[in-house]
Amino acid sequence: GAVVSQHPSWVICKSGTSVKIECRSLDFQATTMFWYRQFPKQSLMLMATSNEGSKATYEQGVEKDKFLINHASLTLSTLTVTSAHPEDSSFYICSGGEGKETQYFGPGTRLLVL
Amino acid sequence: QKEVEQNSGPLSVPEGAIASLNCTYSDRGSQSFFWYRQYSGKSPELIMFIYSNGDKEDGRFTAQLNKASQYVSLLIRDSQPSDSATYLCAVNVGEGKSTFGDGTTLTVKP
Repeated sequence: GAVVSQHPSWVICKSGTSVKIECRSLDFQATTMFWYRQFPKQSLMLMATSNEGSKATYEQGVEKDKFLINHASLTLSTLTVTSAHPEDSSFYICSGGEGKETQYFGPGTRLLVL
Repeated sequence: QKEVEQNSGPLSVPEGAIASLNCTYSDRGSQSFFWYRQYSGKSPELIMFIYSNGDKEDGRFTAQLNKASQYVSLLIRDSQPSDSATYLCAVNVGEGKSTFGDGTTLTVKP
């Protein structure tokens, strides 16, 4: 299957700082990537759809000004959590795929905001 | 009603047994269905996808889809302790987006 990488794998930051997470497709080009968030013992919740060269599409209830998504190339999407607070602590996972059906997940980024 | 519902679990089976994981979905127009395995602290890993009614087999895994009943299942034959994980059912809702169930935690006891 396709390979998706994420960086960093984990990050600890102080409340109020911004954190950028990178998601890369290593062996395919992705016009669309997806960002998910997973809290402990819960399932994945789709946050937004990242579209190459255009604005991201956010799911209901997700603040677009807080979670900035940039998809500047066919192999890179970034998620920036701005002014992070402890409630933003979560496991952030991106996914991508060559087609619009099967998606492959990155290894995830664990964020802890103190 | 949740869009995708799974057995709450946890499910425990002895090594070598068949594990059966079930999933129902609410959108009758859904066309693509996926099973992911997620180990604790890791991101989900795609196990199988199924588009057509009937069975699809891949090694020890068999996915079954019944669109009339809006039901999809995953059977794991000859279960191994390494199969112990949370299994997520996902339904494609269009344009590559998927809605996930809450997952069923499987424990295979040696």
